[in-house]
Amino acid sequence: DAGVTQSPTHLIKTRGQQVTLRCSPISGHKSVSWYQQVLGQGPQFIFQYYEKEERGRGNFPDRFSARQFPNYSSELNVNALLLGDSALYLCASSIRPYNEQFFGPGTRLTVL
Amino acid sequence: DAKTTQPNSMESNEEEPVHLPCNHSTISGTDYIHWYRQLPSQGPEYVIHGLTSNVNNRMASLAIAEDRKSSTLILHRATLRDAAVYYCILRDGISNFGNEKLTFGTGTRLTIIP
Repeated sequence: DAGVTQSPTHLIKTRGQQVTLRCSPISGHKSVSWYQQVLGQGPQFIFQYYEKEERGRGNFPDRFSARQFPNYSSELNVNALLLGDSALYLCASSIRPYNEQFFGPGTRLTVL
Repeated sequence: DAKTTQPNSMESNEEEPVHLPCNHSTISGTDYIHWYRQLPSQGPEYVIHGLTSNVNNRMASLAIAEDRKSSTLILHRATLRDAAVYYCILRDGISNFGNEKLTFGTGTRLTIIP
């Protein structure tokens, strides 16, 4: 069975640009969460979606937004990129919000 | 969110047991203790979780202190593949909006010596 998949694997953007990251959950999983991991730190929670509704939001600015589609895949959008947005963006899926989370390999975003 | 404290790093010899400690003195009665690990260049993966009793699975064992203020993840026979950052996370057992996220600290970086 396929695990959580994320695209693209790597991305380079310049300050002020916008980026969209994509996540496909494990088949049958209806909850998707997004995390940001800066080098040397643990992942930090950004958003959680369940059944296309936002279930939780971390302490991130409004430049960060996300949505979940009817097939339970998800997109994370970041506007007006800053150098500090350079990080590994991880997507995790679970059957329901509280179940064990399965992480994808992440998208490495570099902002120049 | 209740906080956990872990050593920044640990080393262990291959094929020997490893005991990874975690302190959580402010744990509440409904908090479960979860462990995830992150292998190099990968996303985190679930290892084990428990509430009060010690727990075993194919990957590891979790020993929980009687007062629940500390716990220990035990890898019975470490291999090179177990080299990773190990995260101890408290998660409220009552599922509510906003508390279903995982709150990661900086974890313990485990190095396995061949």
